[in-house]
Amino acid sequence: DAGVTQSPTHLIKTRGQHVTLRCSPISGHKSVSWYQQVLGQGPQFIFQYYEKEERGRGNFPDRFSARQFPNYSSELNVNALLLGDSALYLCASSLTGPANGYTFGSGTRLTVV
Amino acid sequence: AQKVTQAQTEISVVEKEDVTLDCVYETRDTTYYLFWYKQPPSGELVFLIRRNSFDEQNEISGRYSWNFQKSTSSFNFTITASQVVDSAVYFCALSEVTSYGKLTFGQGTILTVHP
Repeated sequence: DAGVTQSPTHLIKTRGQHVTLRCSPISGHKSVSWYQQVLGQGPQFIFQYYEKEERGRGNFPDRFSARQFPNYSSELNVNALLLGDSALYLCASSLTGPANGYTFGSGTRLTVV
Repeated sequence: AQKVTQAQTEISVVEKEDVTLDCVYETRDTTYYLFWYKQPPSGELVFLIRRNSFDEQNEISGRYSWNFQKSTSSFNFTITASQVVDSAVYFCALSEVTSYGKLTFGQGTILTVHP
């Protein structure tokens, strides 16, 4: 079985641009969460979606948005990119929630110049 | 609010030494889950263990063992007879049942095992 798939693996954008990151969860998993990991820090929670509905949101500005599609894949969108948005963006999928654990993808490394 | 503290920023050991990574957590919930993840240089978070708040049994998996103590809000991780391949960043994380899938991570501990 395929694990959690994220695309692209690396991305370079210019300040002020928009970016879309994609995540495909493990087959059968209905929950997708997004995390931002700045170099040298632990991952920070951005969003969680379950059955296409937003169930949780972290302390991130409105420039960050996400959605989940009927096939449970997900997109994370970031508008008006800032240098500080440079980070590793991780997607995690789960069958339902913490009782089933979370499986992470390899991440998308975003560099904003 | 939930919080996870990993006080050890970096640990350096020589191969075959035992090493313990500390994790202390804060939560108001009575039902929660604790996790340990390993992050090698490739960046992917590799799941090591999940423990729920009602199960205080210690667990051993090969060279890895975990000590969960609710009385001190700690969930420590020990690697016995460390190997160079254990070199990575290790994260402890907490998820409250009411938090809809949010994992709160500690700052991580960088473990370097020298040959």
